[in-house]
Amino acid sequence: GESVGLHLPTLSVQEGDNSIINCAYSNSASDYFIWYKQESGKGPQFIIDIRSNMDKRQGQRVTVLLNKTVKHLSLQIAATQPGDSAVYFCAENRGADGLTFGKGTHLIIQP
Amino acid sequence: KAGVTQTPRYLIKTRGQQVTLSCSPISGHRSVSWYQQTPGQGLQFLFEYFSETQRNKGNFPGRFSGRQFSNSRSEMNVSTLELGDSALYLCASSSNPGATEAFFGQGTRLTVV
Repeated sequence: GESVGLHLPTLSVQEGDNSIINCAYSNSASDYFIWYKQESGKGPQFIIDIRSNMDKRQGQRVTVLLNKTVKHLSLQIAATQPGDSAVYFCAENRGADGLTFGKGTHLIIQP
Repeated sequence: KAGVTQTPRYLIKTRGQQVTLSCSPISGHRSVSWYQQTPGQGLQFLFEYFSETQRNKGNFPGRFSGRQFSNSRSEMNVSTLELGDSALYLCASSSNPGATEAFFGQGTRLTVV
């Protein structure tokens, strides 16, 4: 069926290194894709989004890449900091179905 | 500007009871969506309200319902609670249904015993 899924449930990186979190999707009809960060005890926090007609979008220390050919989405975090520790979700917006979230990747920062 | 406020933060109910959760969106936001988050199923869309009307509904049984008031505040109700309804219920507000950025509240943690 149609779904948004994540490749890895846990990602461990050294502080200062770059982090890359991946996401696969199966529905080509989505209008745009969003990355959310969820810290323990908090609701998801919007990080960055990308429209389906774009390949790349950059924010502050974050870059989202969209490869529609292989239906793949990635979030790159530069110079990972302890405060980046959280669960990261990719989500797609198909309009009438609200946001469809992936299962999440837990990013762990090693000192 | 105040964020999305959800009340209560924690709730314990017994099977068969019903529960009402509240969400106050960001001032000026008129679209409110509800999500259920569980370890097994992740984040799942429940429904979306805009201008007091339900626009979309996810794949949940009729026991789950909601409404939105003229001031954009929203409530969701779950009747005849089941153990499997234990979850974090999240509310998200956006300026309008087509907005790309949704702001989430901290959620209501519901435990059904």
